[in-house]
Amino acid sequence: SQQGEEDPQALSIQEGENATMNCSYKTSINNLQWYRQNSGRGLVHLILIRSNEREKHSGRLRVTLDTSKKSSSLLITASRAADTASYFCAHHGGSNYKLTFGKGTLLTVNP
Amino acid sequence: DSGVTQTPKHLITATGQRVTLRCSPRSGDLSVYWYQQSLDQGLQFLIQYYNGEERAKGNILERFSAQQFPDLHSELNLSSLELGDSALYFCASSPGTGGHNEQFFGPGTRLTVL
Repeated sequence: SQQGEEDPQALSIQEGENATMNCSYKTSINNLQWYRQNSGRGLVHLILIRSNEREKHSGRLRVTLDTSKKSSSLLITASRAADTASYFCAHHGGSNYKLTFGKGTLLTVNP
Repeated sequence: DSGVTQTPKHLITATGQRVTLRCSPRSGDLSVYWYQQSLDQGLQFLIQYYNGEERAKGNILERFSAQQFPDLHSELNLSSLELGDSALYFCASSPGTGGHNEQFFGPGTRLTVL
């Protein structure tokens, strides 16, 4: 399977703490994207990092990409209860038009 | 609000039946993608259309079919439904043809097959 894997599967933290989620993939990529999904709702795009980028920031989000290790991480700083959601990485590579999603990390931020 | 609309929100039907899910992409987006999300399989890409033509196929069963119309809305047809087809079905859209850009997801249709 070309599906990516997120780690951990579930993460529970206190408000104000930082949350780090990792993602691994198996193929070469053009870009890697992170999405967020509130329970049973549609996915919301968070950030896209291209294969020639190593780090990207957006507000409280920081994404890193290590193509040699085929891995990425998403850091959410100063977490809030509203950040509680599932987070998915998705990669796109080569001539393949589709995005391949990982299984997601369920983040719970306790107030 | 992503700008992608899906109808209906919920659908309950029986095994063996056929249903049609509808998706309207964001204004200006030419690509429409269909995904199935279930607890055991996760988020699976089904099929992509670009400007009316099929562009990529994923794990779509032969009992399922889709099309994109001239006004760019898309329909996903699921036939001979089985219990295992119960899932959330998402539609997404993007301006271009591939995964170079972000995809904008609709709120999904929850299909329950009894």
